[in-house]
Amino acid sequence: GAVVSQHPSRVICKSGTSVKIECRSLDFQATTMFWYRQFPKQSLMLMATSNEGSKATYEQGVEKDKFLINHASLTLSTLTVTSAHPEDSSFYICSAEGLGYTGELFFGEGSRLTVL
Amino acid sequence: ELKVEQNPLFLSMQEGKNYTIYCNYSTTSDRLYWYRQDPGKSLESLFVLLSNGAVKQEGRLMASLDTKARLSTLHITAAVHDLSATYFCAALKGGTSYGKLTFGQGTILTVHP
Repeated sequence: GAVVSQHPSRVICKSGTSVKIECRSLDFQATTMFWYRQFPKQSLMLMATSNEGSKATYEQGVEKDKFLINHASLTLSTLTVTSAHPEDSSFYICSAEGLGYTGELFFGEGSRLTVL
Repeated sequence: ELKVEQNPLFLSMQEGKNYTIYCNYSTTSDRLYWYRQDPGKSLESLFVLLSNGAVKQEGRLMASLDTKARLSTLHITAAVHDLSATYFCAALKGGTSYGKLTFGQGTILTVHP
């Protein structure tokens, strides 16, 4: 199956700093990528849809100025958490919809963000 | 608004027993997914169900979809310890994109001797 890679897998930062998380499709082109957030012992919530070459679409309640998403190429989407605070600590998971793959989604390994 | 509900949320099973996890969704959905998540890990895709009456099996797990009842089930046969994990169902949120999923709350499965 197709591989989606996230980096970093773990990051610890100080409150007020910004953190960038990368999501790459390694062996296929992904026109659309999705960013999810999972708080401890909770389910996944869709944050935004990232389309190559255009602005991301954010779900209701997600601050677009705080969670900056860039999808500059068919294999890379980035999520930047700006001015991070402890309540932003979470597990961030991306998924990708590949060209030619019908119905199946591929999830990255996830990135655990801890804001001190 | 699409809502997805799983039950039970916690399931403690004895090895060798059978059990079913239920996934109800509130509005029409084009497809239904089942995922497994181990602690600290991301999601592992188990099944994608695309049409009414779809049934898929992999090892001790079997998933089915009834779109009329808006119900999917994940049946576990002769459980083994390795199946201990959290299981999520997710329904397609609708619209043009296949990746906009609404997840259920998750079912934490523990299989003990």
